[in-house]
Amino acid sequence: DTAVSQTPKYLVTQMGNDKSIKCEQNLGHDTMYWYKQDSKKFLKIMFSYNNKELIINETVPNRFSPKSPDKAHLNLHINSLELGDSAVYFCASSQLLAGEQFFGPGTRLTVL
Amino acid sequence: TQLLEQSPQFLSIQEGENLTVYCNSSSVFSSLQWYRQEPGEGPVLLVTVVTGGEVKKLKRLTFQFGDARKDSSLHITAAQPGDTGLNLCAHITGGGNKLTFGTGTQLKVEL
Repeated sequence: DTAVSQTPKYLVTQMGNDKSIKCEQNLGHDTMYWYKQDSKKFLKIMFSYNNKELIINETVPNRFSPKSPDKAHLNLHINSLELGDSAVYFCASSQLLAGEQFFGPGTRLTVL
Repeated sequence: TQLLEQSPQFLSIQEGENLTVYCNSSSVFSSLQWYRQEPGEGPVLLVTVVTGGEVKKLKRLTFQFGDARKDSSLHITAAQPGDTGLNLCAHITGGGNKLTFGTGTQLKVEL
């Protein structure tokens, strides 16, 4: 059973397009996150949700909008994609805030 | 934000060698987590260290938390190709609301 899943695995798109990445966890965790990993492998938190409530928004451009329809899902919508948005985006979940993070397999976004 | 510096940034070794990677900060941590990220996958937690001076062993991996809780190390004995990946340390910040990850050590173990 996959604990944290995200789709798609790869996403190639043109500048200016709008795209979404979906994430689901079946661990029963209360907290979910989105992280961005850049080309230097630096992993940085973007958002976290606890029980569907936004807890952290790390000065991410407002072109990025997370949505949590329920505790098991946290989706990420990106408007007007830019070249600099190219990265690997990871969804994660944890039982406790900042506790052990369970990561999804990542979505590699390439903006052309 | 407390910056976590990891060293070395890259390490390429032969199978069977021993190695140590480091995670350092100028600030005191309440605890420190170590993750490993294999190519094409998300990071996976290896261990959490909490007490200054603590040593934890996980098969060929030995984790140490500095006495002053400002640094930590990961020692791998007899490295294997399966150890290849990105080793990340992380600590709790933001008033306990989030993890901040270190700069990472990219390890490659060759046959």
